[in-house]
Amino acid sequence: DIVMTQSPDSLAVSLGERATINCKSSQSVLYNSNNKNSLAWYQQKPGQPPKLLIYWASTRESGVPDRFSGSGSGTDFTLTISSLQAEDVAVYYCQQCYSPPYTFGQGTKLEIK
Amino acid sequence: QLQLQESGPGLVKPSETLSLTCTVSGGSISSSTYYWDWIRQPPGKGLEWIGNIYYNGNIWYNPSLKSRVTMSVDTSKNQFSLKLTSVTAADTAVYYCARHEARINWFDPWGQGTLVTVSS
Repeated sequence: DIVMTQSPDSLAVSLGERATINCKSSQSVLYNSNNKNSLAWYQQKPGQPPKLLIYWASTRESGVPDRFSGSGSGTDFTLTISSLQAEDVAVYYCQQCYSPPYTFGQGTKLEIK
Repeated sequence: QLQLQESGPGLVKPSETLSLTCTVSGGSISSSTYYWDWIRQPPGKGLEWIGNIYYNGNIWYNPSLKSRVTMSVDTSKNQFSLKLTSVTAADTAVYYCARHEARINWFDPWGQGTLVTVSS
């Protein structure tokens, strides 16, 4: 299985400041066939299912604010929120979409400082 | 707009079988483009993929649960189902159904989830 490890486990950021969440996979999730990284990011608010934010490591899902961005390649990935808003308080998960069993990071809890 | 809704008992006794159904609306479960997934989340913890099923019955199970999991699909009802046998307290979780597109493998959309508690 591909193990996904996020850091930090929790993060407190002031409103308007940048938040950065890291995700590392135990093996590369780069598809040689299309040179794309098979990595997704989700946002989960209390009592709600996860919401897809980013796929192919850096493509924003339709309707996701452009303050959310994804980057990275191979085994190391980052989710960045450029200017934190109150509604961004949530737990964020990365997921490798490369091969089953599909696995998630343990989650990063983002709070307001 | 595609919607998924989980249904089933919220309380299951230890050693018994957990049974859940996901009803798909706003789209056909018989589409050759998509797989239909089950994912669970123990209270306060992270996400675990259980497995998926294709409309023709092809199945992938997470090896960690494979010996206890059965999935099925009913195209006439636009539903797919999960059975998990010999449950213990460790199987207490919110169970989500979701969809993923073949060859891209991220999950969207998700159902709202249903909490299943294993307790006597």
